[in-house]
Amino acid sequence: TQLLEQSPQFLSIQEGENLTVYCNSSSVFSSLQWYRQEPGEGPVLLVTVVTGGEVKKLKRLTFQFGDARKDSSLHITAAQPGDTGLYLCAGAVYSTLTFGKGTMLLVSP
Amino acid sequence: DTAVSQTPKYLVTQMGNDKSIKCEQNLGHDTMYWYKQDSKKFLKIMFSYNNKELIINETVPNRFSPKSPDKAHLNLHINSLELGDSAVYFCASSQDFGGGNEKLFFGSGTQLSVL
Repeated sequence: TQLLEQSPQFLSIQEGENLTVYCNSSSVFSSLQWYRQEPGEGPVLLVTVVTGGEVKKLKRLTFQFGDARKDSSLHITAAQPGDTGLYLCAGAVYSTLTFGKGTMLLVSP
Repeated sequence: DTAVSQTPKYLVTQMGNDKSIKCEQNLGHDTMYWYKQDSKKFLKIMFSYNNKELIINETVPNRFSPKSPDKAHLNLHINSLELGDSAVYFCASSQDFGGGNEKLFFGSGTQLSVL
């Protein structure tokens, strides 16, 4: 059973489009993290959301934590080729940081 | 300066061989980890050490043996390599162990291919 479900698994869009990726669970999390992994590199932490309903912005990226702290979304405005990568959400499961399977985003010029 | 560095970047070897991957962090963090990322990009924790002490040991074959000579280093030794061990192995560190809420800093990975 995958505790953190991410959707879609793969997303291919044109530069300038907007997109949203989702991270869902039946469990309540004290916090959720979002990482981005570029090809050939390790994941890099983008943001941590802690409070239910919290919204955090990082330039063109907007992260939201669900009110019940069971889900989160990442919205990218006007995507650019530099946004290409694997987006991973992660949360504490049995005191271990556990990752979802990720959303692979490809932004074409 | 690279914060978390692991070597080698690529490792190609035959089944049955023994190999090691080294990891060092210069962030002054207390906790280090090994994660395995499979061909479907699923990232799964293997081990965690806090101040040189093993704190997490997931269901990993005992052919995998981590060693932490000091809190800045966490090496991974693998005996009798099998085809299924082929994956990308990531070292990571965090300021301390946060019970799953820690913020991780990852190395750039070691791509292991077992032939």
